[in-house]
Amino acid sequence: SQQGEEDPQALSIQEGENATMNCSYKTSINNLQWYRQNSGRGLVHLILIRSNEREKHSGRLRVTLDTSKKSSSLLITASRAADTASYFCATVSVVGNTPLVFGKGTRLSVIA
Amino acid sequence: DAGVIQSPRHEVTEMGQEVTLRCKPISGHDYLFWYRQTMMRGLELLIYFNNNVPIDDSGMPEDRFSAKMPNASFSTLKIQPSEPRDSAVYFCASSLGTGGVVEAFFGQGTRLTVV
Repeated sequence: SQQGEEDPQALSIQEGENATMNCSYKTSINNLQWYRQNSGRGLVHLILIRSNEREKHSGRLRVTLDTSKKSSSLLITASRAADTASYFCATVSVVGNTPLVFGKGTRLSVIA
Repeated sequence: DAGVIQSPRHEVTEMGQEVTLRCKPISGHDYLFWYRQTMMRGLELLIYFNNNVPIDDSGMPEDRFSAKMPNASFSTLKIQPSEPRDSAVYFCASSLGTGGVVEAFFGQGTRLTVV
């Protein structure tokens, strides 16, 4: 079963704008990760945030985590056409040592 | 390292035929995962191995699906007989640990079309 659900399903913005994607999950987690998938390619890891962290930055990426609301957000600042891709959140449950469970992703289109 | 290598990249087969997908994980990684991606269901975990041993195959849709990992550097996912509803992109991924603490590395995927 899928744990994470991304919102929105699709997002279209102009180059230079910020893009925000959200992820909600159902059970308690060990950590949450965001991945990116370019069309026709495999997934690439972007960033990991642990359950005891609230915010994390990596370059133009900013991830927040609210464990009380069971939600996370990924912000891409100053978007570029090359950011066009699908973005997935993936969670690992605290119950056991379980592998990543992915949502269906957000398709981001950045228009030049 | 060349990353996770999957073959073939594309496979078109007729219904009823046997299909074998192959994966070479990153050297030194002790976990290997097989995922299936479709528009309708997203990314589904089919099975994963730890040190070549299958840990959880509850995601394997039917007995027509089987997976093996004969050694640390090779895994196969077999579908026999194949059906049109098996058409999807199949990804192999590997990680050091469960993938929950450290990142998972994905191959480029095999796009399977069953006609």
